[in-house]
Amino acid sequence: DVVMTQTPPSLSVAIGQSVSISCKSSQSLVHSDGKTYLNWLLQNPGQSPKRLIYQVSNLGSGVPDRFSGTGSEKDFTLKISRVEAEDLGVYHCVQATHVPYTFGAGTKLELK
Amino acid sequence: EVQLQESGPGLVKPSQSLSLTCSVTGYSITSNYWGWIRKFPGNKMEWMGYISYSGSTSYNPSLKSRISITRDTSKNQFFLQLNSVTTEDTATYYCARFPKNWGQGVMVTVSS
Repeated sequence: DVVMTQTPPSLSVAIGQSVSISCKSSQSLVHSDGKTYLNWLLQNPGQSPKRLIYQVSNLGSGVPDRFSGTGSEKDFTLKISRVEAEDLGVYHCVQATHVPYTFGAGTKLELK
Repeated sequence: EVQLQESGPGLVKPSQSLSLTCSVTGYSITSNYWGWIRKFPGNKMEWMGYISYSGSTSYNPSLKSRISITRDTSKNQFFLQLNSVTTEDTATYYCARFPKNWGQGVMVTVSS
């Protein structure tokens, strides 16, 4: 299985601050079709997960452009510019290139 | 708008089978891929498997001997069956058109 190493496990931030979350995979996530199926999800407290970013850098529908994704091959980053209260929750990276799909352990974003 | 809704018992006894239904509205399950994901106490998430638009399935090898995903296209529903459950299967179970659309989740406790 592809191991997704996500850091940091938690972040304490002030509203308006910018933060980054890292996700590194044990294998390249480039699919045989040439696409890289690396997604970022956010789970707000008490809610189901929401897709923020797909295929490394594409913003999901309705997702604010404060969120951005970068990376390639085995090294990926989610950046949140100007954190807002609605951004608090647990972030997961998840790869859907190799079966079984696998998740990072999560990053909990909390208010300072 | 795609909507997914899980249903099923919230309590299952050890060694019995866990059975859940996902009802989909706004999108035909004869298109795309439809999966089950679970979130354990804490933040760990596990992809369990999917059923495709054609009815083919793919399962997480860690569950392969215990899991079955089936569908009823006439009702636009798909199903999860997990056999021989233990307390380690206690989790919140989500159905999803992964990773874009998610159900609200159903908490399942395995306990005698």
